[in-house]
Amino acid sequence: AQKVTQAQTEISVVEKEDVTLDCVYETRDTTYYLFWYKQPPSGELVFLIRRNSFDEQNEISGRYSWNFQKSTSSFNFTITASQVVDSAVYFCALSESGFQKLVFGTGTRLLVSP
Amino acid sequence: DVKVTQSSRYLVKRTGEKVFLECVQDMDHENMFWYRQDPGLGLRLIYFSYDVKMKEKGDIPEGYSVSREKKERFSLILESASTNQTSMYLCASRWRNEQFFGPGTRLTVL
Repeated sequence: AQKVTQAQTEISVVEKEDVTLDCVYETRDTTYYLFWYKQPPSGELVFLIRRNSFDEQNEISGRYSWNFQKSTSSFNFTITASQVVDSAVYFCALSESGFQKLVFGTGTRLLVSP
Repeated sequence: DVKVTQSSRYLVKRTGEKVFLECVQDMDHENMFWYRQDPGLGLRLIYFSYDVKMKEKGDIPEGYSVSREKKERFSLILESASTNQTSMYLCASRWRNEQFFGPGTRLTVL
């Protein structure tokens, strides 16, 4: 069975701090996809990144970076030099090959104060 | 840009009412999904559809039904709304391995 665990319910940081959001997943499949979504106060889910299970290269996009480690079944997300606009709920999700649905973690609320 | 729209951002209904939540996507995607989001539980899949007139139950289908008469439109139906269906409802459409979400409907059942 698929499962995604985001153990951090809420994180509070001060602007310009770096912050890492943890994501641990479980799957029996060898081919799968991992995702991160951002949900700002407006409510709409914004896609951030997709990773397939065969690509363990870390990715950097501006202030965002992702660390995918199959050995620990983790797909962590780091925001460098956080800004107030980063305040949102962040969801990690998993999709197995051949399956249509996404399984979401429970989300991590990030509060960035000035 | 992919556009997924939902008929209402906020909705208030009474217990026992029949409720329709509408979702429309403009990218000719075959797969569409309905989720509900509750604090501490994340997003949970209610129903999804592979194509017109095809549907599959998700993880929490009880108390809900769906309709997909046209490819672009996927409706979620609460036959007899109950207070425990008060939630945020999110619709999505899928292209390859990415899902595109609508803005959500916050439903309150009194």
